[in-house]
Amino acid sequence: AQTVTQSQPEMSVQEAETVTLSCTYDTSESDYYLFWYKQPPSRQMILVIRQEAYKQQNATENRFSVNFQKAAKSFSLKISDSQLGDAAMYFCAYRRIQGAQKLVFGQGTRLTINP
Amino acid sequence: DGGITQSPKYLFRKEGQNVTLSCEQNLNHDAMYWYRQDPGQGLRLIYYSQIVNDFQKGDIAEGYSVSREKKESFPLTVTSAQKNPTAFYLCASSKLWSYSEDSPLHFGNGTRLTVT
Repeated sequence: AQTVTQSQPEMSVQEAETVTLSCTYDTSESDYYLFWYKQPPSRQMILVIRQEAYKQQNATENRFSVNFQKAAKSFSLKISDSQLGDAAMYFCAYRRIQGAQKLVFGQGTRLTINP
Repeated sequence: DGGITQSPKYLFRKEGQNVTLSCEQNLNHDAMYWYRQDPGQGLRLIYYSQIVNDFQKGDIAEGYSVSREKKESFPLTVTSAQKNPTAFYLCASSKLWSYSEDSPLHFGNGTRLTVT
């Protein structure tokens, strides 16, 4: 079975600084998707970024980028120029390429932004 | 605007009672999902459905039941057999997967269920 592990329960960063959230996963599949979701205090799940495993290029979305290391099964999220609105729980998630969108989530990292 | 509506936002029940959580979507999505979220844990899949009148168990289906009589609706019943029902429940929907398109998962705003 696939598993996703986030080893940092909490992280904090100064506003305007850069922070990296870690995620490792375990799978025997060669093709799959990886995601980072943000859950602010409203508890709405918001997709931050997505990476297809067959793409070597790391995904980026404005201030958000990933470092995808397929051989190491590592998928970290870098947030540049941190803003107060970035404060939230961040979840790493995995799913197979085909079929239903059955996501496997990590335990989450609570990110605090210090003004 | 299209979206997913979960109601109510907060729900309180006495132990031993069944309770049904509502999930409605107007995105014309074929697939719908129920996830459970506990403190310190990520979301875990309870049930999912890819077509009307059909659904499959997820990783933690015991003590729960669902129905999919309409494309737009996927209610979740938390039965008295669920040992630890107090949690935050999230409903989601998506288009069916295809090689040409992989649509994102859309989430509702969730229902916080407290059982005492």
